[in-house]
Amino acid sequence: SQQGEEDPQALSIQEGENATMNCSYKTSINNLQWYRQNSGRGLVHLILIRSNEREKHSGRLRVTLDTSKKSSSLLITASRAADTASYFCARTHISGGSNYKLTFGKGTLLTVNP
Amino acid sequence: NAGVMQNPRHLVRRRGQEARLRCSPMKGHSHVYWYRQLPEEGLKFMVYLQKENIIDESGMPKERFSAEFPKEGPSILRIQQVVRGDSAAYFCASSPVGLVWSHSSTDTQYFGPGTRLTVL
Repeated sequence: SQQGEEDPQALSIQEGENATMNCSYKTSINNLQWYRQNSGRGLVHLILIRSNEREKHSGRLRVTLDTSKKSSSLLITASRAADTASYFCARTHISGGSNYKLTFGKGTLLTVNP
Repeated sequence: NAGVMQNPRHLVRRRGQEARLRCSPMKGHSHVYWYRQLPEEGLKFMVYLQKENIIDESGMPKERFSAEFPKEGPSILRIQQVVRGDSAAYFCASSPVGLVWSHSSTDTQYFGPGTRLTVL
């Protein structure tokens, strides 16, 4: 199976704190992407990291990738109440020969309390 | 530039009826992907289409489900004789180029707001 896991399943923090979410996977990837989903809404693409990259930044977001451990983390710094959402990592895998079939985990539900 | 559009946003059907979900990709995008999200689950890939072609339907249930992306008009995901287990959110995504086998592709998929199907 190419399914992975995000952890924690749920995370509750205070505004201003940092939030770290992790994603693990089982088979080698082409790239890994993080998406945000607000309750009942569609997905918003946050950041993509390629398999040969180790770290990427975008505003308050920092993503790391450790291919030896088959894991990635998403760090949101100085969190805001508006960051409350579910966060998913999605991978495209080398096996299967495609770069379009995104494999999603179950996500981390982040709650930022004002 | 409008994003990916899906309609309807909410659809209620009784068991045995047909459901038609529509997706208009972003302007300039000719590649469409459908995903299904069951309650409290991640999205699962269903099908990948280009204009008038089905590229990969490996995630589609073998029966009752079909998808098309005609030369003109939106992509359609059709579910015949719906059952309660079809209740889910169905998301469409599009990309400007085909995300073919490549180690260096940085293209991504842009998702629509989804259609929430409820089968009574």
